[in-house]
Amino acid sequence: QVQLVQSGSELKKPGASVKVSCKASGYTFTSYAMNWVRQAPGQGLEWMGWINTNTGNPTYAQGFTGRFVFSLDTSVSTAYLQISSLKAEDTAVYYCAREDYWGQGTLVTVSS
Amino acid sequence: DIVMTQTPLSSPVTLGQPASISCRSSQSLVHSDGNTYLSWLQQRPGQPPRLLIYKISNRFSGVPDRFSGSGAGTDFTLKISRVEAEDVGVYYCMQATQGGTFGQGTKLEIK
Repeated sequence: QVQLVQSGSELKKPGASVKVSCKASGYTFTSYAMNWVRQAPGQGLEWMGWINTNTGNPTYAQGFTGRFVFSLDTSVSTAYLQISSLKAEDTAVYYCAREDYWGQGTLVTVSS
Repeated sequence: DIVMTQTPLSSPVTLGQPASISCRSSQSLVHSDGNTYLSWLQQRPGQPPRLLIYKISNRFSGVPDRFSGSGAGTDFTLKISRVEAEDVGVYYCMQATQGGTFGQGTKLEIK
């Protein structure tokens, strides 16, 4: 069965970086694009962009350029989200999502 | 960018009664390939979102048939024929015709 398993919660200080992983199983990784979605505490869903798992080409939504990087390691069927220069407002649950299946989410907390 | 507007934002419903959520896009969601990439997702408390409906009206695997989607162009509707306790949560429409955008979410609660 299709599964997207994300890495565990992270607590980071402002200015640090974080890398969230999303390991796919149960399907051919390169057959589906991978999306990233942010959900701030008590808020709605925000589409961050997607990465073409064939070419590795990322597309970032407005507001997610510069500090946000999507990457892949196709040898282990894993997508990554890296956020640099973390700010308090980056505190959120980050989801990876195929068009039909979602990861369980990774809570990133930014606090001094 | 396409803006998605859901109404209502909160919907108190009696168990066994129907519920309906509307979603309007700021421009047509018909893709150049002829498909309309409008989905509905459910997020139960403390859970990740789950796909219910894709391409306007197609129920995803395992979704009960009390959920149905309809609409075209810029106006779409999710209907629950008879609300059950497990349906409590927040429902989002999402367009994937041009990038991706979610509606604000509609909180479904039991009266």
